Amino acid sequence: GESVGLHLPTLSVQEGDNSIINCAYSNSASDYFIWYKQESGKGPQFIIDIRSNMDKRQGQRVTVLLNKTVKHLSLQIAATQPGDSAVYFCAETSGGNKLTFGTGTQLKVEL
Amino acid sequence: DTGVSQDPRHKITKRGQNVTFRCDPISEHNRLYWYRQTLGQGPEFLTYFQNEAQLEKSRLLSDRFSAERPKGSFSTLEIQRTEQGDSAMYLCASSSATGVYGYTFGSGTRLTVV
Repeated sequence: GESVGLHLPTLSVQEGDNSIINCAYSNSASDYFIWYKQESGKGPQFIIDIRSNMDKRQGQRVTVLLNKTVKHLSLQIAATQPGDSAVYFCAETSGGNKLTFGTGTQLKVEL
Repeated sequence: DTGVSQDPRHKITKRGQNVTFRCDPISEHNRLYWYRQTLGQGPEFLTYFQNEAQLEKSRLLSDRFSAERPKGSFSTLEIQRTEQGDSAMYLCASSSATGVYGYTFGSGTRLTVV
């Protein structure tokens, strides 16, 4: 079936460095993608989204890149801070009724 | 209204018992979703409502599971005859648009079946 997955289960970075979290998806009909941050014991928190007619979108310290040719999505976090430590999920949808999530990447920020 | 509220936050139950969870969405949101999340995995879609109508159910929602949203506001998710495999975080989300845009999740209900 269709799936969304992540390449790296755990990513460790030094405080102040940039982080890149990657995601592959397989549904070519996906038209909307979202990155979520999830801290322990909490629900997923929206970070940034991108529609399929775009290839880049920037927010505050975060950038999402979409490569539809290879069905790849990435989240870049600039100047990573200890508060960025969490599990990050990409999610996709086609049609907008429900989300399909990947398995998550644990980001650990070392001081 | 500060967000999506779920109750209880934690539930421990014995195998075979029935449990019910409640979700209160953001008041102006007409769409409500239920997801299940097991440890180390992303959330998996279970079902969603637009107002009081249940529009889609996942294959994951076996006949032991039932969800309702009787007045188009809060929703309940009931699991009958719980099994150890039902142990998971049950997440609720709501949105006001026609789809997932502006999707807000609650903090979830952690179910442990012993």
